[in-house]
Amino acid sequence: EADIYQTPRYLVIGTGKKITLECSQTMGHDKMYWYQQDPGMELHLIHYSYGVNSTEKGDLSSESTVSRIRTEHFPLTLESARPSHTSQYLCASSPPPGQGSTGELFFGEGSRLTVL
Amino acid sequence: EDKVVQSPLSLVVHEGDTVTLNCSYEVTNFRSLLWYKQEKKAPTFLFMLTSSGIEKKSGRLSSILDKKELFSILNITATQTGDSAIYLCANSGSARQLTFGSGTQLTVLP
Repeated sequence: EADIYQTPRYLVIGTGKKITLECSQTMGHDKMYWYQQDPGMELHLIHYSYGVNSTEKGDLSSESTVSRIRTEHFPLTLESARPSHTSQYLCASSPPPGQGSTGELFFGEGSRLTVL
Repeated sequence: EDKVVQSPLSLVVHEGDTVTLNCSYEVTNFRSLLWYKQEKKAPTFLFMLTSSGIEKKSGRLSSILDKKELFSILNITATQTGDSAIYLCANSGSARQLTFGSGTQLTVLP
């Protein structure tokens, strides 16, 4: 069973606040990802990391930033939240193929953000 | 740009019916195609199909990959209400990240 955790699960905040969505995994996976998903819509990759001190922007432009100081931790930060940031944010990780994996992603349970 | 298109967008059936979900894709340097089931929370992995494994089966679920025609189908036989979920198709290409389709919302009525 995958061990990847996201906090908070739900967050309602006012416009202009700074927020950090936490994501931690205990599987030692090098690759980690942040996806954004609106109701009924596809998942969009917004950030990914292939290891410590490695971060890249994904397909969907996002005003958020990420950091990867430790293998197990991949937090996402919004410096000044706006209503347009209201969405579900899913964190995922995957091991490299050499570790006998299928390349699948293991997802956290998501953080549902509402900005008023 | 990699692209994944799923159909139908939504489907309502009764228990016991068989359903077929479709996924077509465009990808540079195909690596794999994956199916996920998403209920209220995070997606859970169902199958991965690659060039060396173009057909997978697990219980009532099965999937095939047609690399020539660039599509995959997910079949569910004898559906149950617990099969109600969004089914996501994703492919992995040269970019090495997954590109997801918008999903098919399946509702199985008792």
